[in-house]
Amino acid sequence: GAVVSQHPSWVICKSGTSVKIECRSLDFQATTMFWYRQFPKQSLMLMATSNEGSKATYEQGVEKDKFLINHASLTLSTLTVTSAHPEDSSFYICSARLLSYEQYFGPGTRLTVT
Amino acid sequence: TQLLEQSPQFLSIQEGENLTVYCNSSSVFSSLQWYRQEPGEGPVLLVTVVTGGEVKKLKRLTFQFGDARKDSSLHITAAQPGDTGLYLCAGRNFGNEKLTFGTGTRLTIIP
Repeated sequence: GAVVSQHPSWVICKSGTSVKIECRSLDFQATTMFWYRQFPKQSLMLMATSNEGSKATYEQGVEKDKFLINHASLTLSTLTVTSAHPEDSSFYICSARLLSYEQYFGPGTRLTVT
Repeated sequence: TQLLEQSPQFLSIQEGENLTVYCNSSSVFSSLQWYRQEPGEGPVLLVTVVTGGEVKKLKRLTFQFGDARKDSSLHITAAQPGDTGLYLCAGRNFGNEKLTFGTGTRLTIIP
């Protein structure tokens, strides 16, 4: 099956620092990747859609200068949380689209900002 | 923003019982997917339904897509503790690559 990996699986950083999260499609090429955020006991909220070689499309209310997304290759997308604050602490999940309607998710990255 | 409402929000039943989870919307979807998510992990795709009225079975799980493609249901027969998790439906609109996620159903099967 289609496998998506994320690194790191968890990270703790100090307020004001930046953190980069990687998302890789291991056995397929993904022209489109998505980044989600999930708060405890809640559903997934789409943050942005990332297309290889072009700028990401951000959802309303998501600060593009704070959440930098780069999709430089067909198998790698990165999310950088810049100048992180405690309210950015969350579970970040990426996904990659294999077929026109199937989407596979990574295992998630738990970010804690102290 | 389209809304996908799932019901019930929480469900706790005894092992061996049957259950149904519903996913409803006022919007029409080109396809709908069901996922199960364990704590601290990403969602795992269970099934994709594409055709109105479509029924798919995955062992003890039966998924149905509504005729009008606005709703879906997940039925679990003889639930087992391993079925415990957060179940999420997600719909995709025609011409839109984004998935809209449902509100989620947290299922607990008691041994």
